[in-house]
Amino acid sequence: KQEVTQIPAALSVPEGENLVLNCSFTDSAIYNLQWFRQDPGKGLTSLLLIQSSQREQTSGRLNASLDKSSGRSTLYIAASQPGDSATYLCAVHSQGGSEKLVFGKGTKLTVNP
Amino acid sequence: NAGVTQTPKFQVLKTGQSMTLQCAQDMNHEYMSWYRQDPGMGLRLIHYSVGAGITDQGEVPNGYNVSRSTTEDFPLRLLSAAPSQTSVYFCASRKGQRNYGYTFGSGTRLTVV
Repeated sequence: KQEVTQIPAALSVPEGENLVLNCSFTDSAIYNLQWFRQDPGKGLTSLLLIQSSQREQTSGRLNASLDKSSGRSTLYIAASQPGDSATYLCAVHSQGGSEKLVFGKGTKLTVNP
Repeated sequence: NAGVTQTPKFQVLKTGQSMTLQCAQDMNHEYMSWYRQDPGMGLRLIHYSVGAGITDQGEVPNGYNVSRSTTEDFPLRLLSAAPSQTSVYFCASRKGQRNYGYTFGSGTRLTVV
C-alpha cells in the first residue's frame, strides 16, 4: 500500500529565503508525482508534474526533483515571497490498478515579510 | 476554459437528507474523480470514472453514489447524509494517458447537522 509522507508539517521562513519541502513515498512503482498548492479554504492548484522517467521539473522559482529509487521528491522554492504562503501537497499516482492519487498531509508554509 | 467547476460551494444538510454535488469539466478529460478532505486524514478517493458509463469505487465509497452519463459531468450523490460526511469535497479530472496530471475544482464545503 502506497504511503506518502511530507516533512516538515509546517515551516516558517523570512522573505527571500530559499527553501526545500520534502516528500517521501513507500512504493517506487509510480507513473508520476504531482505537487499542488492549497490556499486556505480554496482548491488545489497544480504546480509541477514529474513523470517517473524524469529527474526534475522547473516552473519559474519552483523546481521539483524526483528520485524514484529512493522514494523521494523535493520541491525547491527560490527567493520566497509572502505570496508563497500556503499548504503544499505532494501526490503520487501509483501503478497497479486503482486510479488513485495518494496524498501526503502537506507542509504549511508561512513566509514572513 | 473554465476547467473543473463544482457547485454548490457551500451546503448545510440535516441528517438523513439527500443531495447531489455537481462537477463539470470542459477540457474533454476522460478520467474524473471525487475526493474528500478531512483534517488529519488528508485527501481520500471516494469514486472515480475512466469514461462515460464507467465508474468504480475508491477508498471511502460508502454512503455515496456516482454515475457518468456524459464526458463532461460527474455528479456525486449523498443518499442519506450523516454527520460523518461533513467534509470538503473535491472533483478532479485528467486526460486518459498516464502521463497527464490532475486538475482540481475549487471544492464544496459540506456540513451535515
